[in-house]
Amino acid sequence: SQQGEEDPQALSIQEGENATMNCSYKTSINNLQWYRQNSGRGLVHLILIRSNEREKHSGRLRVTLDTSKKSSSLLITASRAADTASYFCATDFPLMDSSYKLIFGSGTRLLVRP
Amino acid sequence: AAGVIQSPRHLIKEKRETATLKCYPIPRHDTVYWYQQGPGQDPQFLISFYEKMQSDKGSIPDRFSAQQFSDYHSELNMSSLELGDSALYFCASSSPGLAATGELFFGEGSRLTVL
Repeated sequence: SQQGEEDPQALSIQEGENATMNCSYKTSINNLQWYRQNSGRGLVHLILIRSNEREKHSGRLRVTLDTSKKSSSLLITASRAADTASYFCATDFPLMDSSYKLIFGSGTRLLVRP
Repeated sequence: AAGVIQSPRHLIKEKRETATLKCYPIPRHDTVYWYQQGPGQDPQFLISFYEKMQSDKGSIPDRFSAQQFSDYHSELNMSSLELGDSALYFCASSSPGLAATGELFFGEGSRLTVL
C-alpha cells in the first residue's frame, strides 16, 4: 500500500453486530477520510476527521483518530447486510499548487451476514 | 446531482494495443485525479491535474500519459498495453474550494481488460 495498513483485511459479522476497522498511516496528516466501495463500483466518501479531532460521528458511523499512534478506526454500529462492502481509509497530502491528493490504505472487506 | 462521468465503462484490448479513458468531472470542479485499482488491491494514485496543469504524479508508467482539457475533462492514454494493466481505472474530481471537506468524488470506473 502507498499509505499503510488496514486491519482486519477481511471481517465477517452477523447483521446487528458492530464492525470495527482499523487503519494505520505513515506520515503526518491534515485530514483522514473513510471511503466505502461496493464490489467493482466507485468509492463513496463516508466521513472526514481532521488532525485536531479525536472522534467524529455520522449516523451509525463513528471514527476515531490517534495522531500519536498514526491510527484511525471506523466503527459501524448495528450493521446491516447492505453495509457489505470494502472500506478504505485515505489521507490527504497538500500539493504545491493548493490542490491535494488522497493516498489510500489497503482496505477492509466487510461481509455482513443476514 | 451531476456526478463524475467516465467512459467507456468496460474496455477489452490486446497486448501492445492502445487505450484511451475519458473523465468528465462534476461541473465547476477544477481538479481531476486518476487512480488504478487492481483486483483486491487498494486504489493507487496515478496522476492529478489542477486548472488544466499537471499537479502531481504517482506510480504512473511512462507508457501512460494524461491531460486535462480546457473544458476540464481529462483523458488517460495508455500505450503498449501489458497484461498487468488490467484493472479498474477511477477518475475523481474535487475543487480546492472544497478544502473544508477534502472530499473526492469518484466516477464508477473504467474496467480495462488486456488479453
